[in-house]
Amino acid sequence: GQQVMQIPQYQHVQEGEDFTTYCNSSTTLSNIQWYKQRPGGHPVFLIQLVKSGEVKKQKRLTFQFGEAKKNSSLHITATQTTDVGTYFCYYGGSQGNLIFGKGTKLSVKP
Amino acid sequence: DTEVTQTPKHLVMGMTNKKSLKCEQHMGHRAMYWYKQKAKKPPELMFVYSYEKLSINESVPSRFSPECPNSSLLNLHLHALQPEDSALYLCASSQESTGVKLFFGSGTQLSVL
Repeated sequence: GQQVMQIPQYQHVQEGEDFTTYCNSSTTLSNIQWYKQRPGGHPVFLIQLVKSGEVKKQKRLTFQFGEAKKNSSLHITATQTTDVGTYFCYYGGSQGNLIFGKGTKLSVKP
Repeated sequence: DTEVTQTPKHLVMGMTNKKSLKCEQHMGHRAMYWYKQKAKKPPELMFVYSYEKLSINESVPSRFSPECPNSSLLNLHLHALQPEDSALYLCASSQESTGVKLFFGSGTQLSVL
């Protein structure tokens, strides 16, 4: 069956350092979304990627969808304390259901 | 109005109680979802309603009973819950049922004693 891995599980960075989280699928994805959940909060939509090789930017955040549509990444340049939270990818499973990746928890040391 | 409103924010209930969680949106979305989220875990899909009809039930125990009275409202009725059901229950909505942006409510933190 389809397997999607999100890595790393945790990332601790110094403020100003870069951060990247990855979602890797064993099968082709129709699209992928990214969400951010602040501590004590609820998931908030960041972006949706649909096309092969797509790259989208939102200020310091860069999102990529691989050419084979099996991989995606979220990169944050020069992290700030406001970036703290857990970042989830969200994708369609092989049964048509919709699944969150396990998440990457980002902590930023000022 | 781009909000999904959930009530109550916190709920403590005994294993013999019956309670309901409520969710409301006024964005004209036709799909509404219930997710369960345990601490340090991703949200897990429980139910999806599409055009007021139950379209996905992720093998959730019958002690959880969803209801969609109209396109703006979603309820989750709780009965005879177990302590392991303690979690954050999140409601979400979207324009359609799959592959589109989800708008989440702030959740109900449920504790079952």
